[in-house]
Amino acid sequence: SFVLTQPPSVSVAPGQTARIPCGGRNIGSRSVHWYQQKPGQAPVLVVYADSDRPSGIPQRFSGSNSGNTATLTISRVEAGDEADYYCQVWDTNTDHVAFGGGSKLTVL
Amino acid sequence: QVQLAQSGAEVKRPGASVKVSCQASGYTFITYYMNWVRQAPGQGLEWMGMINPSGGTTTYAQRFQGRITVTRDTSTNTVYMELRGLRSEDTAVYYCARGDAYRGSYYLDSWGRGTLVTVSS
Repeated sequence: SFVLTQPPSVSVAPGQTARIPCGGRNIGSRSVHWYQQKPGQAPVLVVYADSDRPSGIPQRFSGSNSGNTATLTISRVEAGDEADYYCQVWDTNTDHVAFGGGSKLTVL
Repeated sequence: QVQLAQSGAEVKRPGASVKVSCQASGYTFITYYMNWVRQAPGQGLEWMGMINPSGGTTTYAQRFQGRITVTRDTSTNTVYMELRGLRSEDTAVYYCARGDAYRGSYYLDSWGRGTLVTVSS
């Protein structure tokens, strides 16, 4: 199955920009999706198809994807952005959903 | 507004089976796949499988093959996930999540609140 690699943790000060990477072999050729999960809650889709946002998701959330790394970028980080973030692709070899291991965003 | 209402928490003995339900509303049930994703305590998300509610065809993750069955009831817009041969490692929150396709990819755009399944002797 397709392996997605995320750092366990990312830290950022309030008001700064957080960048959460998701690594995978030639991931730039795939479409990447991102989920936010706060403690005790279900995941929420925040970016799909590399860089599109579902309705209701602030413009501060954006995504990019090239080469072997996709990145979720959160601008002007707020305390309320503290959460776990997961990347996801559709594995065309197995017709399965593949998730990254998740990154915990800490707002200092 | 899409809503996915899941059944309540379960406590099971090792070796038993569990069946979790997910009732969908707010959209045309048969036009979107439904997925099951689980999350063990303190761990990440793990995709288990999915069903096409229109025809009932299923796809399961390799590690659950032989232990999982996902079914649907189109009369009540409900999807069920049954997991057999439970062991302590199956203790987790189980989520249903609606799948959508876009530009050749597939993502999960709406999630249920989750059902905690505890396996303990």
